[in-house]
Amino acid sequence: ETGVTQTPRHLVMGMTNKKSLKCEQHLGHNAMYWYKQSAKKPLELMFVYNFKEQTENNSVPSRFSPECPNSSHLFLHLHTLQPEDSALYLCASSQGATETGELFFGEGSRLTVL
Amino acid sequence: DQQVKQNSPSLSVQEGRISILNCDYTNSMFDYFLWYKKYPAEGPTFLISISSIKDKNEDGRFTVFLNKSAKHLSLHIVPSQPGDSAVYFCAAEGVGGSGSRLTFGEGTQLTVNP
Repeated sequence: ETGVTQTPRHLVMGMTNKKSLKCEQHLGHNAMYWYKQSAKKPLELMFVYNFKEQTENNSVPSRFSPECPNSSHLFLHLHTLQPEDSALYLCASSQGATETGELFFGEGSRLTVL
Repeated sequence: DQQVKQNSPSLSVQEGRISILNCDYTNSMFDYFLWYKKYPAEGPTFLISISSIKDKNEDGRFTVFLNKSAKHLSLHIVPSQPGDSAVYFCAAEGVGGSGSRLTFGEGTQLTVNP
């Protein structure tokens, strides 16, 4: 199994739909993250969870709702999104959110909002 | 206010030559810098890092140089290979427990021509 797995890889949804992105990490890490990558823009940090507790919400609109039931799983619930929310959503994990170190990324979920 | 900038969106080099990717930052509190590589349809993968107490770190064909006074770092790839063709992201991490909350640049698309 790969270290960080994201599903679905591709998602197309209407503005009134409710969908969820899922991330699972098999690395024994304690911190998990959601990043957004839009075309020609830097990766933007959305949320940070450390030991299942949300430690950062980077001014993300409430139409994005994260959930972290345990240190291995992270969800991003999507509701009434806008076309400008279309992007690649990347999940990542690390040993701990307060430790220097690299992030391990999943392959991303490509979201298109119609 | 973008704290990490990669001013070259793309770079094209011949196989066997040197590739130099540049990154500038504005926040003097950053003390750890990383380069990530991203292939299409894959998540970013860690490539090489450098701590602010060093000015050079080398790993095989990859060398990262840090000039703290200029707030500039660069990634050198020698010799470049076609398989190095990817988007390269520069990232920076701050002091004070910010841990793995990385700030990313926009990325540079490297194309190595055979």
